[in-house]
Amino acid sequence: DVKVTQSSRYLVKRTGEKVFLECVQDMDHENMFWYRQDPGLGLRLIYFSYDVKMKEKGDIPEGYSVSREKKERFSLILESASTNQTSMYLCASSVGQNTGELFFGEGSRLTVL
Amino acid sequence: GEDVEQSLFLSVREGDSSVINCTYTDSSSTYLYWYKQEPGAGLQLLTYIFSNMDMKQDQRLTVLLNKKDKHLSLRIADTQTGDSAIYFCAGIQGGGSYIPTFGRGTSLIVHP
Repeated sequence: DVKVTQSSRYLVKRTGEKVFLECVQDMDHENMFWYRQDPGLGLRLIYFSYDVKMKEKGDIPEGYSVSREKKERFSLILESASTNQTSMYLCASSVGQNTGELFFGEGSRLTVL
Repeated sequence: GEDVEQSLFLSVREGDSSVINCTYTDSSSTYLYWYKQEPGAGLQLLTYIFSNMDMKQDQRLTVLLNKKDKHLSLRIADTQTGDSAIYFCAGIQGGGSYIPTFGRGTSLIVHP
């Protein structure tokens, strides 16, 4: 079975701190995604990557950056956390094109104080 | 790009059928998906339907696709309390797309 592992389930950070959210998948998937989920807003795509060292902005990239140095790992970085980045962050992976079959991690709930 | 719309809430009694509806805008969507998110967890793929199909059944789940009206529905027969979750529909365009478009999710509440 495909496994997508997010390193932290719950984090509490202070405004201005740098935050790293790590995601690892074990099925050699080309594509990896970072979403944030907020009540009533559904999933919003932050960044995605379709290959190592490749990244593309999603719908809400402001305030975030990403890193994909290895195929299995996709990191989301908040350079200077702000309270409006308090949210649930979901990582996902998929294989190839023309597929909406994503495999999701359990999520990382970030609170910024 | 594609827009996908869902109602936000649905409440049903245990044992009844649930029908969750979704409308989409892009008629070139090749696959349409239903995901389930249980409390505190990520999304899991429940089922999908290819655009050349009208219906797909999988145990208690029935997916209906009306391409003319761009309407997708998920019917859950004999709904149980364990079916309480958020259900997302999603579609993907053909032509080499990587990114599915998700609806906002429908919270299904099953009460005794």
